[in-house]
Amino acid sequence: GAGVSQTPSNKVTEKGKYVELRCDPISGHTALYWYRQSLGQGPEFLIYFQGTGAADDSGLPNDRFFAVRPEGSVSTLKIQRTERGDSAVYLCASSDGINYGYTFGSGTRLTVV
Amino acid sequence: DQQVKQNSPSLSVQEGRISILNCDYTNSMFDYFLWYKKYPAEGPTFLISISSIKDKNEDGRFTVFLNKSAKHLSLHIVPSQPGDSAVYFCAAQAGGTSYGKLTFGQGTILTVHP
Repeated sequence: GAGVSQTPSNKVTEKGKYVELRCDPISGHTALYWYRQSLGQGPEFLIYFQGTGAADDSGLPNDRFFAVRPEGSVSTLKIQRTERGDSAVYLCASSDGINYGYTFGSGTRLTVV
Repeated sequence: DQQVKQNSPSLSVQEGRISILNCDYTNSMFDYFLWYKKYPAEGPTFLISISSIKDKNEDGRFTVFLNKSAKHLSLHIVPSQPGDSAVYFCAAQAGGTSYGKLTFGQGTILTVHP
């Protein structure tokens, strides 16, 4: 596609539930990133994929968070046993690895009630 | 541990004047710096960047200055336009490649008044 697409754009879930957030990167981009942005803060790194493998998952806050990219394109961020503190905008970005600066999607706003 | 800091939460400027946004960092391993602009309900958009081997990079109305000894960078917008009103984030990268994570500052809200 022309840009990075994230679905859903908004997600409200109850505390303790499981959620999946989807990211469709720009076609041909080999690198894919997940960030989380809380109110009044800058984006915070979660995980980065190079192809199908996670090249750096040092930002995942705990084992409730997991992400996959099985075919090297679409990625899914999975959050188990959601907590109210997980409420944030989850941003996905992709890059071609040639040019600095990634392209971000519009994000998924997750609200845990 | 905030490795990239933007100490001004907001900045207000008159149209046509210069906007100067500042950013400080603490990690000496950072070797590439970027500025992003973000409008409400949209993802951040890449604006301009600079390598640590340079001290200035210019692109139209936007210029980024890097002072490595002070671990400080700034973004100058001249002349400022109302459409520049947005949140501006500086970000830093280490590792010498275009891959890898970015560390972002907290952002500065720029308002340009007509």
